[in-house]
Amino acid sequence: GQQVMQIPQYQHVQEGEDFTTYCNSSTTLSNIQWYKQRPGGHPVFLIQLVKSGEVKKQKRLTFQFGEAKKNSSLHITATQTTDVGTYFCAYTSGTYKYIFGTGTRLKVLA
Amino acid sequence: DVKVTQSSRYLVKRTGEKVFLECVQDMDHENMFWYRQDPGLGLRLIYFSYDVKMKEKGDIPEGYSVSREKKERFSLILESASTNQTSMYLCASSFLRSNSPLHFGNGTRLTVT
Repeated sequence: GQQVMQIPQYQHVQEGEDFTTYCNSSTTLSNIQWYKQRPGGHPVFLIQLVKSGEVKKQKRLTFQFGEAKKNSSLHITATQTTDVGTYFCAYTSGTYKYIFGTGTRLKVLA
Repeated sequence: DVKVTQSSRYLVKRTGEKVFLECVQDMDHENMFWYRQDPGLGLRLIYFSYDVKMKEKGDIPEGYSVSREKKERFSLILESASTNQTSMYLCASSFLRSNSPLHFGNGTRLTVT
């Protein structure tokens, strides 16, 4: 069935270190969306990528969509304690089907 | 800013009770969704609706029903709550167009004893 693999499942980093999470699909995706869920909170939409090879930045966060549109990555430079949470990738199929990755839980040690 | 409001943040119910979870959005979104989130299982879709009075089963609809009488409101009903329905329930909404992002409510943590 439709699924998207997300790795790693967990990541602990020292504050100031970089962090990357990867999202991989066996099929070509129409888009990739990234969400962040703080501990005890709800998923919040961060960004969407739709073009092959697209790269977008939000301050210390860099999002990339692969050339073949089968994978994506989220890279955080110099993590801060405010980056703690679970990062989900997702893609849409049609107008109301959303397929989520399993998420990467990030812990930042001060 | 889009606001998706869930009526309760925490709920404790007894086995066999009928439970209503309410969700209201203020952005005129056509789509509304109910997910449950459990550790290690990620987000699982229970039901969704793309229009008033329209509903579609998601991946895990058993033991649940939904109601959408008004565009802004989507209710999740547990006909007879069971302990395996203890979970975090998340409502979300989006526009009915490709690539529209999901906007989630704060969630309802339901405990069934």
